[in-house]
Amino acid sequence: DVKVTQSSRYLVKRTGEKVFLECVQDMDHENMFWYRQDPGLGLRLIYFSYDVKMKEKGDIPEGYSVSREKKERFSLILESASTNQTSMYLCASSAWRYEQFFGPGTRLTVL
Amino acid sequence: AQSVTQLDSQVPVFEEAPVELRCNYSSSVSVYLFWYVQYPNQGLQLLLKYLSGSTLVKGINGFEAEFNKSQTSFHLRKPSVHISDTAEYFCAVSESVAGANNLFFGTGTRLTVIP
Repeated sequence: DVKVTQSSRYLVKRTGEKVFLECVQDMDHENMFWYRQDPGLGLRLIYFSYDVKMKEKGDIPEGYSVSREKKERFSLILESASTNQTSMYLCASSAWRYEQFFGPGTRLTVL
Repeated sequence: AQSVTQLDSQVPVFEEAPVELRCNYSSSVSVYLFWYVQYPNQGLQLLLKYLSGSTLVKGINGFEAEFNKSQTSFHLRKPSVHISDTAEYFCAVSESVAGANNLFFGTGTRLTVIP
C-alpha cells in the first residue's frame, strides 16, 4: 500500500514563527502536492512538484515556499506564520497522471 | 482551469436509504474523474475513479458513480447507506493531457447518516 506520512498531526505556532511541514511518501512517486483545506472552500493547491528540485506554484502560493531535495520528501515552509494560515494542510503524491494518495493531514493553529 | 461543482454542501439521509451526491465539472475536454472520502480528522481516501471505458464505475464500500459526458457530470450513488458512511465526500477532476496530474476539487458534500 502507498503510504504518505506527515510529520505532525497537530501543530500550534505563534505569529511570525517559521514553520516546517514535512511529507514523506514511500512509493517512488514523481509528483507531490501540498493543499490547504478550509471549511466551505474544499482543497486548494498551494504548490506541487513533479521532480526533485522542481516546484510549481498552485492556486494560493503566497506566504508559502517548498523544498524537494529528495524524491520521497516534500516540505512546506511558512516563512512567517500568520493567523490566516491556520488550516488543515494535506500532502499528496502520485505516479504520472494517476490518482493522488493523501497523508493524514496536519492541523496547524497559528496564535 | 477546471471548475468542479458539488451542488449540495450537506446531505442528511436515513440509514439504509439510497443516496446520490452530485458532481458537475466545467470542461468538455477529455478528463479523469475521482471521488474521495474524508472521515473526521483523516486525510482523503480514494473511493473510485473513471479513467476510460465503462461509464459506470464501482468503488469501495458499495459506492458507484456514472460518468455522463454530455452532462459533464459524475454523480456518486449508494443504494443503502450505513452509519459508517458519515463523512465528507469530494469530487475531483483531472484533465487527461500531458503534464502533472493536477486535480481540481469541488468544495465537498458532508453526508450525515441518521439512525
